Amino acid sequence: NAGVTQTPKFQVLKTGQSMTLQCAQDMNHEYMSWYRQDPGMGLRLIHYSVGAGITDQGEVPNGYNVSRSTTEDFPLRLLSAAPSQTSVYFCASWEEGHNEQFFGPGTRLTVL
Amino acid sequence: SQQGEEDPQALSIQEGENATMNCSYKTSINNLQWYRQNSGRGLVHLILIRSNEREKHSGRLRVTLDTSKKSSSLLITASRAADTASYFCATDSYGNKLVFGAGTILRVKS
Repeated sequence: NAGVTQTPKFQVLKTGQSMTLQCAQDMNHEYMSWYRQDPGMGLRLIHYSVGAGITDQGEVPNGYNVSRSTTEDFPLRLLSAAPSQTSVYFCASWEEGHNEQFFGPGTRLTVL
Repeated sequence: SQQGEEDPQALSIQEGENATMNCSYKTSINNLQWYRQNSGRGLVHLILIRSNEREKHSGRLRVTLDTSKKSSSLLITASRAADTASYFCATDSYGNKLVFGAGTILRVKS
Protein backbone atom coordinates (compact mmCIF):
# COMPACT_ATOMS: atom_id res chain seq x y z
CA ASN A 1 0.00 0.00 0.00
CA ALA A 2 1.18 3.51 -0.82
CA GLY A 3 -0.78 4.91 2.14
CA VAL A 4 -1.59 8.62 1.80
CA THR A 5 -0.04 10.39 -1.16
CA GLN A 6 0.05 14.11 -1.87
CA THR A 7 0.98 16.05 -4.98
CA PRO A 8 2.74 18.30 -5.64
CA LYS A 9 5.49 18.30 -2.99
CA PHE A 10 6.33 21.95 -3.63
CA GLN A 11 4.41 24.75 -5.30
CA VAL A 12 4.94 28.47 -5.77
CA LEU A 13 1.95 30.62 -6.70
CA LYS A 14 1.37 34.27 -7.33
CA THR A 15 -1.32 36.10 -5.42
CA GLY A 16 -4.69 35.50 -7.05
CA GLN A 17 -3.79 32.26 -8.78
CA SER A 18 -5.79 29.12 -8.18
CA MET A 19 -4.63 25.58 -7.74
CA THR A 20 -5.66 22.19 -6.42
CA LEU A 21 -3.65 20.15 -3.95
CA GLN A 22 -4.19 16.47 -4.53
CA CYS A 23 -4.58 13.82 -1.85
CA ALA A 24 -5.24 10.13 -2.33
CA GLN A 25 -5.31 7.11 -0.04
CA ASP A 26 -5.46 3.43 -0.83
CA MET A 27 -6.48 2.14 2.59
CA ASN A 28 -10.23 2.41 1.97
CA HIS A 29 -10.56 4.87 4.85
CA GLU A 30 -13.89 6.64 5.14
CA TYR A 31 -12.48 9.70 6.92
CA MET A 32 -10.08 12.21 5.41
CA SER A 33 -8.88 15.65 6.46
CA TRP A 34 -6.73 18.58 5.43
CA TYR A 35 -4.47 20.49 7.81
CA ARG A 36 -2.11 23.38 7.46
CA GLN A 37 1.05 23.69 9.52
CA ASP A 38 2.60 27.05 10.25
CA PRO A 39 5.76 27.65 12.29
CA GLY A 40 5.14 27.41 16.01
CA MET A 41 1.43 26.68 15.61
CA GLY A 42 1.12 22.94 15.14
CA LEU A 43 -1.53 21.69 12.73
CA ARG A 44 -4.86 23.37 12.17
CA LEU A 45 -7.81 21.61 10.58
CA ILE A 46 -9.07 23.14 7.32
CA HIS A 47 -11.75 20.72 6.11
CA TYR A 48 -12.61 17.12 6.69
CA SER A 49 -14.82 14.43 5.19
CA VAL A 50 -16.57 11.44 6.75
CA GLY A 51 -17.31 9.76 3.43
CA ALA A 52 -17.87 10.28 -0.25
CA GLY A 53 -20.12 13.26 -0.82
CA ILE A 54 -19.84 14.51 2.78
CA THR A 55 -17.53 17.33 3.83
CA ASP A 56 -17.43 19.78 6.71
CA GLN A 57 -15.41 22.76 7.85
CA GLY A 58 -12.61 22.72 10.34
CA GLU A 59 -10.97 25.53 12.27
CA VAL A 60 -9.60 27.53 9.32
CA PRO A 61 -11.76 26.88 6.22
CA ASN A 62 -11.80 30.35 4.66
CA GLY A 63 -10.17 30.50 1.23
CA TYR A 64 -10.31 26.74 0.69
CA ASN A 65 -12.82 24.41 -0.97
CA VAL A 66 -13.00 20.64 -0.88
CA SER A 67 -15.05 17.90 -2.45
CA ARG A 68 -15.14 14.13 -1.98
CA SER A 69 -16.47 12.36 -5.02
CA THR A 70 -14.69 9.07 -4.27
CA THR A 71 -13.46 7.33 -1.13
CA GLU A 72 -9.88 7.52 -2.37
CA ASP A 73 -9.49 11.20 -3.28
CA PHE A 74 -9.88 14.41 -1.31
CA PRO A 75 -8.59 17.44 -3.26
CA LEU A 76 -8.12 20.85 -1.66
CA ARG A 77 -8.74 23.88 -3.86
CA LEU A 78 -7.40 27.37 -3.40
CA LEU A 79 -9.59 29.62 -5.52
CA SER A 80 -7.56 32.83 -5.19
CA ALA A 81 -4.26 32.33 -3.40
CA ALA A 82 -3.13 34.86 -0.82
CA PRO A 83 0.28 35.23 0.91
CA SER A 84 -1.42 34.21 4.19
CA GLN A 85 -1.93 30.76 2.67
CA THR A 86 1.81 30.16 2.52
CA SER A 87 2.14 27.03 4.62
CA VAL A 88 2.76 23.30 4.60
CA TYR A 89 -0.40 21.33 3.89
CA PHE A 90 -1.00 17.82 5.16
CA CYS A 91 -3.69 15.37 4.21
CA ALA A 92 -4.67 12.55 6.54
CA SER A 93 -7.02 9.61 6.50
CA TRP A 94 -8.36 7.23 9.09
CA GLU A 95 -10.75 4.38 9.53
CA GLU A 96 -14.15 4.82 11.14
CA GLY A 97 -13.97 3.66 14.72
CA HIS A 98 -10.17 3.96 14.82
CA ASN A 99 -8.70 7.25 15.90
CA GLU A 100 -5.18 6.90 14.53
CA GLN A 101 -4.73 9.22 11.57
CA PHE A 102 -2.34 8.42 8.71
CA PHE A 103 -0.62 11.44 7.20
CA GLY A 104 0.73 12.17 3.77
CA PRO A 105 4.21 13.68 3.25
CA GLY A 106 2.88 17.22 2.82
CA THR A 107 2.83 19.95 0.19
CA ARG A 108 4.92 23.07 0.80
CA LEU A 109 3.10 26.03 -0.73
CA THR A 110 4.50 29.52 -1.15
CA VAL A 111 2.28 32.37 -2.30
CA LEU A 112 4.14 35.44 -3.51
CA SER B 1 -7.72 27.98 18.79
CA GLN B 2 -5.41 25.23 19.89
CA GLN B 3 -6.58 22.72 22.43
CA GLY B 4 -3.26 21.20 23.42
CA GLU B 5 -0.24 23.11 24.60
CA GLU B 6 3.07 21.29 24.85
CA ASP B 7 5.80 21.99 27.31
CA PRO B 8 8.69 22.49 26.85
CA GLN B 9 8.83 24.04 23.40
CA ALA B 10 12.28 22.54 22.88
CA LEU B 11 14.30 19.89 24.68
CA SER B 12 17.89 18.84 24.16
CA ILE B 13 19.25 15.72 25.86
CA GLN B 14 22.07 13.21 25.56
CA GLU B 15 21.56 9.80 24.03
CA GLY B 16 20.49 7.31 26.67
CA GLU B 17 18.67 9.89 28.80
CA ASN B 18 14.93 10.01 29.25
CA ALA B 19 12.82 12.69 27.60
CA THR B 20 9.57 13.96 29.09
CA MET B 21 7.11 16.15 27.27
CA ASN B 22 3.92 17.55 28.69
CA CYS B 23 0.62 18.51 27.15
CA SER B 24 -2.21 20.52 28.65
CA TYR B 25 -5.64 20.94 27.15
CA LYS B 26 -8.76 22.93 27.84
CA THR B 27 -11.93 20.91 27.33
CA SER B 28 -13.18 17.40 27.98
CA ILE B 29 -11.78 14.80 25.66
CA ASN B 30 -12.57 11.34 24.35
CA ASN B 31 -8.92 10.50 23.82
CA LEU B 32 -5.51 12.07 23.52
CA GLN B 33 -2.92 11.06 20.95
CA TRP B 34 0.78 11.67 20.47
CA TYR B 35 2.39 12.04 17.06
CA ARG B 36 5.99 12.36 15.90
CA GLN B 37 7.16 14.44 12.96
CA ASN B 38 10.63 14.11 11.53
CA SER B 39 11.97 17.16 9.77
CA GLY B 40 10.24 17.72 6.45
CA ARG B 41 7.98 14.70 6.82
CA GLY B 42 4.38 13.93 7.70
CA LEU B 43 3.19 13.02 11.17
CA VAL B 44 3.35 9.48 12.47
CA HIS B 45 0.99 8.21 15.14
CA LEU B 46 2.75 7.02 18.30
CA ILE B 47 0.17 6.21 20.93
CA LEU B 48 -3.42 6.88 21.95
CA ILE B 49 -4.77 7.05 25.47
CA ARG B 50 -8.49 7.12 26.17
CA SER B 51 -10.13 9.37 28.72
CA ASN B 52 -10.80 6.43 31.06
CA GLU B 53 -7.16 5.33 31.03
CA ARG B 54 -4.43 6.74 33.24
CA GLU B 55 -1.29 5.19 31.78
CA LYS B 56 -0.26 3.38 28.65
CA HIS B 57 2.98 1.85 27.41
CA SER B 58 4.31 1.09 23.96
CA GLY B 59 7.92 -0.01 23.71
CA ARG B 60 10.05 2.86 25.07
CA LEU B 61 7.04 5.16 25.26
CA ARG B 62 4.99 5.79 28.36
CA VAL B 63 1.99 8.09 28.31
CA THR B 64 0.02 9.28 31.29
CA LEU B 65 -3.26 11.13 31.38
CA ASP B 66 -4.71 13.15 34.23
CA THR B 67 -8.19 14.27 33.24
CA SER B 68 -8.68 16.19 36.48
CA LYS B 69 -5.72 18.40 35.57
CA LYS B 70 -6.39 18.18 31.84
CA SER B 71 -2.84 17.16 31.19
CA SER B 72 -0.80 14.35 29.67
CA SER B 73 2.85 13.47 29.56
CA LEU B 74 4.93 11.48 27.09
CA LEU B 75 8.05 9.79 28.39
CA ILE B 76 10.63 8.38 25.99
CA THR B 77 13.09 6.18 27.84
CA ALA B 78 16.69 5.49 26.81
CA SER B 79 16.52 8.03 24.00
CA ARG B 80 18.33 7.54 20.73
CA ALA B 81 19.55 9.98 18.09
CA ALA B 82 16.76 8.67 15.85
CA ASP B 83 14.23 10.03 18.35
CA THR B 84 15.18 13.55 17.28
CA ALA B 85 11.91 14.99 15.97
CA SER B 86 8.96 17.18 16.86
CA TYR B 87 6.32 15.65 19.08
CA PHE B 88 2.70 16.76 19.07
CA CYS B 89 -0.22 15.96 21.30
CA ALA B 90 -3.66 15.95 19.73
CA THR B 91 -7.00 15.82 21.48
CA ASP B 92 -10.17 14.26 20.17
CA SER B 93 -13.13 16.02 21.71
CA TYR B 94 -15.65 16.10 18.91
CA GLY B 95 -15.44 12.75 17.22
CA ASN B 96 -13.98 13.48 13.85
CA LYS B 97 -11.74 16.42 14.62
CA LEU B 98 -8.27 16.30 16.11
CA VAL B 99 -6.89 19.48 17.66
CA PHE B 100 -3.11 19.66 17.76
CA GLY B 101 -0.78 21.51 20.06
CA ALA B 102 2.22 23.51 18.88
CA GLY B 103 4.65 20.69 19.56
CA THR B 104 7.89 20.01 21.39
CA ILE B 105 11.13 19.88 19.42
CA LEU B 106 13.32 17.11 20.80
CA ARG B 107 17.00 16.90 19.99
CA VAL B 108 18.94 13.84 21.11
CA LYS B 109 22.69 14.34 20.96
CA SER B 110 24.95 11.37 20.34
